[in-house]
Amino acid sequence: NAGVTQTPKFQVLKTGQSMTLQCAQDMNHEYMSWYRQDPGMGLRLIHYSVGAGITDQGEVPNGYNVSRSTTEDFPLRLLSAAPSQTSVYFCASSPGTFYEQYFGPGTRLTVT
Amino acid sequence: RKEVEQDPGPFNVPEGATVAFNCTYSNSASQSFFWYRQDCRKEPKLLMSVYSSGNEDGRFTAQLNRASQYISLLIRDSKLSDSATYLCVVNIGVGQGNLIFGKGTKLSVKP
Repeated sequence: NAGVTQTPKFQVLKTGQSMTLQCAQDMNHEYMSWYRQDPGMGLRLIHYSVGAGITDQGEVPNGYNVSRSTTEDFPLRLLSAAPSQTSVYFCASSPGTFYEQYFGPGTRLTVT
Repeated sequence: RKEVEQDPGPFNVPEGATVAFNCTYSNSASQSFFWYRQDCRKEPKLLMSVYSSGNEDGRFTAQLNRASQYISLLIRDSKLSDSATYLCVVNIGVGQGNLIFGKGTKLSVKP
């Protein structure tokens, strides 16, 4: 099993550009999440999904969209990149509500 | 009040030392508890779940005190490879969106 995979590993965007961060898991997990991690802030939840077709907002959803058309994939879209979105983005999946989460290797995004 | 609070660190200890990390959580409805380890510029990785009766995995021991809303992690015989940031994680049980992460405690083990 590859676990949770994320692409790209690194990305530089200009302000106003849009892009999609890809996340996939091969563990048949129903639950998937997106987090951002900034120095001194810890991990903050952006969006999450409890199954295909179901998504919900986390703590910091503004500027981001998600969709979940399959169990395996959970892409994160930046609509119009801003310098405040410079961060490390982690995708995670979990077998259920009370279970541990498994993280992807992250995407380091810089917005200039 | 912050939902999950950890010792700020950093903890600088010599090899072979025993070190303990503490974590408190504010939501009494919290259902499950975990310790994660995060190496510099890497993703968080599950170290161990924390059970009500306490649990041990090799040199690592985790304890949970629901009455005091307190979690601990004890590392015995510290190795250089234990150097990392340790994240306390609490799930308040209303779906994936309610996994709350502490900001982490940095451990540096010196030769």
